[in-house]
Amino acid sequence: DPKIIQKPKYLVAVTGSEKILICEQYLGHNAMYWYRQSAKKPLEFMFSYSYQKLMDNQTASSRFQPQSSKKNHLDLQITALKPDDSATYFCASSQEWDINQAPLFGEGTRLSVL
Amino acid sequence: GQGVEQPAKLMSVEGTFARVNCTYSTSGFNGLSWYQQREGQAPVFLSYVVLDGLKDSGHFSTFLSRSNGYSYLLLTELQIKDSASYLCAVRTSSGQKLVFGQGTILKVYL
Repeated sequence: DPKIIQKPKYLVAVTGSEKILICEQYLGHNAMYWYRQSAKKPLEFMFSYSYQKLMDNQTASSRFQPQSSKKNHLDLQITALKPDDSATYFCASSQEWDINQAPLFGEGTRLSVL
Repeated sequence: GQGVEQPAKLMSVEGTFARVNCTYSTSGFNGLSWYQQREGQAPVFLSYVVLDGLKDSGHFSTFLSRSNGYSYLLLTELQIKDSASYLCAVRTSSGQKLVFGQGTILKVYL
């Protein structure tokens, strides 16, 4: 059973609309992250959270807003969607934010913006 | 600037071995991870190294040379199912911000 659940698995959106990508983990981890993987590009770090607090933000656009309502949740709200936002968005988690441990990844949400 | 470089493709024969190279140039270094990723699936963690030398994990082994900014992932006794993309990622500072390479697509053939 997957321990990091992302919903939905596939998402199609219209340019200018708003979507929320859901992520919840059942590993008891205290740190959660968002990464993006666009076609022909490497996985790209977006955000990191530790105990529901933002630790690092590498996303230039304010259209991307993480939301953590519970310790094991880290959703990603994307507003004013653009075709360039089309990518697979991966949620990840690790036990703690600052220890030497590689994060584990969820299955991803594949977003297509038309 | 920061960069993690990997060859785009690699082909090896079943039953032999494959070495996936990774070179990096980053402003800091707090460890290097290897992930396996199949088409349309999540990256799966394979190995994490922070000290120089070879780390043997059976089917997968990992080498690191920090002074050369170089690592490799060695897969032995290759099977067809090892065909996948292998991602190298460098942790540059505290926290889990990883800088990923493009990935190396390994194809194992008969």
